[in-house]
Order: sequence, then C-alpha cells, then structure tokens
Amino acid sequence: AQKITQTQPGMFVQEKEAVTLDCTYDTSDQSYGLFWYKQPSSGEMIFLIYQGSYDEQNATEGRYSLNFQKARKSANLVISASQLGDSAMYFCAMKWTNAGKSTFGDGTTLTVKP
Amino acid sequence: DGGITQSPKYLFRKEGQNVTLSCEQNLNHDAMYWYRQDPGQGLRLIYYSQIVNDFQKGDIAEGYSVSREKKESFPLTVTSAQKNPTAFYLCASSISRANNSPLHFGNGTRLTVT
Repeated sequence: AQKITQTQPGMFVQEKEAVTLDCTYDTSDQSYGLFWYKQPSSGEMIFLIYQGSYDEQNATEGRYSLNFQKARKSANLVISASQLGDSAMYFCAMKWTNAGKSTFGDGTTLTVKP
Repeated sequence: DGGITQSPKYLFRKEGQNVTLSCEQNLNHDAMYWYRQDPGQGLRLIYYSQIVNDFQKGDIAEGYSVSREKKESFPLTVTSAQKNPTAFYLCASSISRANNSPLHFGNGTRLTVT
C-alpha cells in the first residue's frame, strides 16, 4: 500500500532563512507523482509544486524547490528566503499509476519567526 | 474566475440527522474528491469520482454517501451512521486521474454535530 510519512510535526525558521520539510514515501509502483500543498490557518489547500517519478531534474516553482531522491524515496520541500506568510501547515501527497486518487501525509506545521 | 465552491462554511447539526455538504466546480474537471480532516491531522479520502454517474469508495466511506449526476457537482451526505461526523470536509477536483494532475480545493465546510 502507498504511504506518505512526514516526520516533523512542527518546524520553526527565522524570516529570510531557508527551511527543508521532509517527506518520505512508500510505493512499489514505478509511475507516480509527488505533490506539496500548503494549508494556511484559514483552511484552504493550495497546490505548490509537483515532481514526477521519471523526472530527472528537481522541480522548482519560485521560492519552492523539491529535493527528489528516488533511491531513498524522499521528496523534501525546500522553501528559500522564508516569509511570515509562509507560516502554515504543509502536506506531502502522492498519486500513483493513474489510480486517480491521492494519499496524504500527516503534515508539518511551519512557523516563520520575525 | 474558475474554482470550487463549498457551502456552507460552517454547519451545525444534531446527532441522528443526515446532512448534505455542497460542492460545485466550474473548472470543467473530470475528477472530484471528498476528504475529511481532523484537527492536526492529514486528509483522508472519503469518496471520489472520475466521471459523471460513477464514483468509488475511498479509505473511510462508511457512514457517507455521494452522487455525481452532473460534471460540476459532487454533493456529500453525512448520514446518521457516521459515528464521528464532526470534522473539516474538503472537496477537490483535478483535470484527470493522471499522476501529474494536482488537486484544486474548495475552502472547506466545518461540520459540528452535537
């Protein structure tokens, strides 16, 4: 069965510094997609970044990048130059072999300190 | 603007009553999903639908029912059989079932049953 593990329940980072949020996954499928979503305190979920299992380069979207290590089955999110508005809960998720559904980790709460 | 609309934002019900949560999308997406989120936890899949008039059970379907009579609409009914219905419910859609298709979420409905 597919599983996503986020081992950091909470993280703190100083404004303007970089932070890495960990995500490991377990699947026997060769074809899958990895996603990160942000959930501010207001509750809506915002898609941040996507990495395909066959992508050789790490995905980047503005200040977000994904450190994808396929052999280790990890897909860590790196946020550069943290801003106060980055304070939120962050979820790692996976879709596999066109199953059409996503499984989510338990999330990491990030707090950016001024 | 295209998006997903969930209504109402807050819903209060007495135990033993069925309640229906609304989800409408104007993104022309084929796939729609219902997730449940409990405080401090990740998202768990209740039901999903890849096409009109078809839907599948997710990981926690017991006590819930859905319909998909129109592409735009995917209402969720929380029945009296659901033992712990108080939670935050998120509706989502994606262009397709493909692995590279991210989820787009509504703002959620917070259901409280007393």
